[in-house]
Amino acid sequence: DAKTTQPPSMDCAEGRAANLPCNHSTISGNEYVYWYRQIHSQGPQYIIHGLKNNETNEMASLIITEDRKSSTLILPHATLRDTAVYYCIVSGFGATNKLIFGTGTLLAVQP
Amino acid sequence: EAEVAQSPRYKITEKSQAVAFWCDPISGHATLYWYRQILGQGPELLVQFQDESVVDDSQLPKDRFSAERLKGVDSTLKIQPAELGDSAMYLCASSPLGGNTEAFFGQGTRLTVV
Repeated sequence: DAKTTQPPSMDCAEGRAANLPCNHSTISGNEYVYWYRQIHSQGPQYIIHGLKNNETNEMASLIITEDRKSSTLILPHATLRDTAVYYCIVSGFGATNKLIFGTGTLLAVQP
Repeated sequence: EAEVAQSPRYKITEKSQAVAFWCDPISGHATLYWYRQILGQGPELLVQFQDESVVDDSQLPKDRFSAERLKGVDSTLKIQPAELGDSAMYLCASSPLGGNTEAFFGQGTRLTVV
């Protein structure tokens, strides 16, 4: 599985968009990009995933560069409840593929 | 809404004792994961099941850890004997079809070894 690189921490003002970057320069053609987040003392929560097209759901948007070597998770209107550690994961297709977590980005939403 | 159930939520045990954690995945989910999360680090995959078969246990310390999912439904993770360094959060997750689909996590078991 390809490795990912994320900044250790970021700040964002409440109500503004939070843009969390992730580098995955060794991603292969059949690997997906996943984002999870973990609020303090809870289990991780799935946010979104994509292969090569941009994706949007009720929680966030995922922008993947054309060469697929990096991506950005966008929380359009961050709230205090979005303060969490955000993990970018690259994983292949198939029932036996693994979800390998790195150290993630601690997003602190400031009032 | 269906959830992954884990018990106990908290466990304190003495060094060298045996300890076990239980996980009941979401009904119908074929893939079950056990992770260990040390404070300040990301979750580390210990073992992955597809139905009752182990798909990956390369990071499971097999001299003291064991995991089973006998009927392909619920699962037990055991540590014997526990060591001080095993203090961590143990997370269980399940998904319908493995690593390319959304995984649902339980609340975890916080283990403290004294």
